[in-house]
Amino acid sequence: EAGVAQSPRYKIIEKRQSVAFWCNPISGHATLYWYQQILGQGPKLLIQFQNNGVVDDSQLPKDRFSAERLKGVDSTLKIQPAKLEDSAVYLCASSLNPLAGDTQYFGPGTRLTVL
Amino acid sequence: TQLLEQSPQFLSIQEGENLTVYCNSSSVFSSLQWYRQEPGEGPVLLVTVVTGGEVKKLKRLTFQFGDARKDSSLHITAAQPGDTGLYLCAVTSGTYKYIFGTGTRLKVLA
Repeated sequence: EAGVAQSPRYKIIEKRQSVAFWCNPISGHATLYWYQQILGQGPKLLIQFQNNGVVDDSQLPKDRFSAERLKGVDSTLKIQPAKLEDSAVYLCASSLNPLAGDTQYFGPGTRLTVL
Repeated sequence: TQLLEQSPQFLSIQEGENLTVYCNSSSVFSSLQWYRQEPGEGPVLLVTVVTGGEVKKLKRLTFQFGDARKDSSLHITAAQPGDTGLYLCAVTSGTYKYIFGTGTRLKVLA
């Protein structure tokens, strides 16, 4: 079974530029998560989707971050404009049914460096 | 204020030594998970504990959930270089939103 795919793996941009990350979850997984992991810290949830609907985006900086999952499968996370403090690893994860206790599976992440 | 505090933050030990890392909170949780994350990869689930006082073993790893379900520990016996990584505890809140701890970075030297 294929795992969670993310691209690109690495991205370097200058502050005030825009960037987008892509995630393809495990086939059939209805729940998709985007996390931000700053160096030396645990992942912080940015947004949680159930199919193509947003369940929780309370920690998403909505003035600059946006995410969509239009067809309930793959998802994109965008930052516009980027700030220095956005330098982090952006992790995507998916789960079949977390309410039933199913595990979340993570992708390898995209490492973003903002100069 | 962090919901989940992990200690120690960093740990460097020799191969063969034993170690324990902790995950503490002032809140009560219905379940708690432990993950290991290696460089360049996403976290991988090791175990889920759900009952107060529960002990689970995974080869050389022993996980315990506190009686009051506010804390947990992970004990590694005879650590090996392959155990090197970032150990994270996590709990679910509300709509099965995962909240992660601050992490313990372990390095096992050969």
